[in-house]
Amino acid sequence: DVKVTQSSRYLVKRTGEKVFLECVQDMDHENMFWYRQDPGLGLRLIYFSYDVKMKEKGDIPEGYSVSREKKERFSLILESASTNQTSMYLCASSLGQGQETQYFGPGTRLLVL
Amino acid sequence: AQKVTQAQTEISVVEKEDVTLDCVYETRDTTYYLFWYKQPPSGELVFLIRRNSFDEQNEISGRYSWNFQKSTSSFNFTITASQVVDSAVYFCAMSEAKAAGNKLTFGGGTRVLVKP
Repeated sequence: DVKVTQSSRYLVKRTGEKVFLECVQDMDHENMFWYRQDPGLGLRLIYFSYDVKMKEKGDIPEGYSVSREKKERFSLILESASTNQTSMYLCASSLGQGQETQYFGPGTRLLVL
Repeated sequence: AQKVTQAQTEISVVEKEDVTLDCVYETRDTTYYLFWYKQPPSGELVFLIRRNSFDEQNEISGRYSWNFQKSTSSFNFTITASQVVDSAVYFCAMSEAKAAGNKLTFGGGTRVLVKP
């Protein structure tokens, strides 16, 4: 079974803090993704990576950055958290090489005060 | 650009009723993939099915069935004899066929509430 884990289920941070969300997959997948999910807006892609040290912007990258130093780990960084970044963050991975099914982690509910 | 529309935002049924979730998509690609995911209250998205654009054969898996019709750009999902455990938000999604970094475009989701 594919296993995607996220470092925290719930996180509370203050405005201006630097926030790290970690995602790890154990299936040697090439691709990894970060989404945020908000009521009424569905899931929106923030960033994705198709290889180590490679990254591409998704639909809403502003205010975020990412890091992929190892194949199994993809980190989402909020450089200076703001209240409008309060959301559910979902990480996903896919095998790549034409295998597009994405498998998701349990999500991190982030509250920025 | 791809677009996925789930017109039904919420459906409420009584246990054992059938429920059909609609999904309509738009794309200029000739090769693409369609997906359904389930998101129970715990929050994790659970993969249910993937279909490629060349395979219009309908599929049944237990109480779940899917009807893919390219002529109407639809990929509908039916739960037969619904159960309380089917209560969740269901997302339809699609991705283009690329060599790397296939992105998913999601519909807005349909919340299904199954009452006992």
